[in-house]
Amino acid sequence: DTGVSQDPRHKITKRGQNVTFRCDPISEHNRLYWYRQTLGQGPEFLTYFQNEAQLEKSRLLSDRFSAERPKGSFSTLEIQRTEQGDSAMYLCASSLALWGNNEQFFGPGTRLTVL
Amino acid sequence: AQSVTQLGSHVSVSEGALVLLRCNYSSSVPPYLFWYVQYPNQGLQLLLKYTTGATLVKGINGFEAEFKKSETSFHLTKPSAHMSDAAEYFCAVSLSGGGADGLTFGKGTHLIIQP
Repeated sequence: DTGVSQDPRHKITKRGQNVTFRCDPISEHNRLYWYRQTLGQGPEFLTYFQNEAQLEKSRLLSDRFSAERPKGSFSTLEIQRTEQGDSAMYLCASSLALWGNNEQFFGPGTRLTVL
Repeated sequence: AQSVTQLGSHVSVSEGALVLLRCNYSSSVPPYLFWYVQYPNQGLQLLLKYTTGATLVKGINGFEAEFKKSETSFHLTKPSAHMSDAAEYFCAVSLSGGGADGLTFGKGTHLIIQP
């Protein structure tokens, strides 16, 4: 068990470009969550998956944001037509879906800078 | 909808002194409560959580927190601060006992330890 990993750790892009981030959860975890954290704020929940099903996506910030988890393992978060306001840390977390177990394990994050 | 308020964006204590980080929540249903710690360039790490049962919860690194329903509070304490405790601390709430929702975080409290 190597924990939750995210790739890349840092991404610098120009405004208007598309970016994609990857998250690999802990291997036996069937739930996967995405959060955004801006400077001086706590993480903000965006979306989550149980296996390959995206069960909550109403909190995605705009239609420029989308996420997939096609085989129920790793997930990708894509931001299209990036804006400077998208600059933030994007965090991924995973958990095992059992009643009474709502502990989420977080990855190190991907820091996005939009120029 | 639920929300979390952390009083004090920065708290400074002397090494060996009591640490008290305040967290108040609002929730329409009995909440599940968490404290996470974030060290620079690292992911969030769970310190402790309250689900049901005993209202005084003990966590890692000597931290504990007490759930007080009447005060809608979940303050984090440690009897004696250590230099290694310097970090960002986040209080979070969930409405789901099984992790079927994202966590709602407070804005965080930066803990500074004075030698």
